[in-house]
Amino acid sequence: NAGVTQTPKFQVLKTGQSMTLQCAQDMNHEYMSWYRQDPGMGLRLIHYSVGAGITDQGEVPNGYNVSRSTTEDFPLRLLSAAPSQTSVYFCASSYLQGGSGYTFGSGTRLTVV
Amino acid sequence: AQKVTQAQTEISVVEKEDVTLDCVYETRDTTYYLFWYKQPPSGELVFLIRRNSFDEQNEISGRYSWNFQKSTSSFNFTITASQVVDSAVYFCALIPLGDNNDMRFGAGTRLTVKP
Repeated sequence: NAGVTQTPKFQVLKTGQSMTLQCAQDMNHEYMSWYRQDPGMGLRLIHYSVGAGITDQGEVPNGYNVSRSTTEDFPLRLLSAAPSQTSVYFCASSYLQGGSGYTFGSGTRLTVV
Repeated sequence: AQKVTQAQTEISVVEKEDVTLDCVYETRDTTYYLFWYKQPPSGELVFLIRRNSFDEQNEISGRYSWNFQKSTSSFNFTITASQVVDSAVYFCALIPLGDNNDMRFGAGTRLTVKP
């Protein structure tokens, strides 16, 4: 089925560990982004990409790294996990940045202890 | 500033009541898109509607309706004859088509519909 696939769905990390959240889409969308969702704060943009080889920072980029080597994949790396990064992470993709509506993945619930 | 405000943190209604979720936005841009998403207890984000800034027509889709008023920068969402399955968190979002095209979300409104 076409859509945005995120893995894993759940993850527990210890403080200081690193990990990569995977995001893949099969809709040939140029625009992809990562959000984190925290209680009472809605979704906040971490990083985004307007195409392969191009990435940029969003509202809350600190502690996260991204790359976009292919149109399909947009992994999010936590360099050294901290308890403040406990959150639900959503990947989204869109044909164009802005306006065309985003398709969201099912989310990754990350707990850092 | 680009900002979306959903002042209602939580709303609780009894089944079959009508309920309106408020959304107020701020943007410098004259061209922008507004969205509503539903997040049921299962956690996924479900797209409900997109509206561009040049289209102020209200829209109705079954029990759902949306009232877009540029004069008050509001994009309110009404559920008529609410049902238990409508229980979810609802997010309003804005994409301004200026220098920064990022989607900005409100904090969300948690709607509980009781049987």
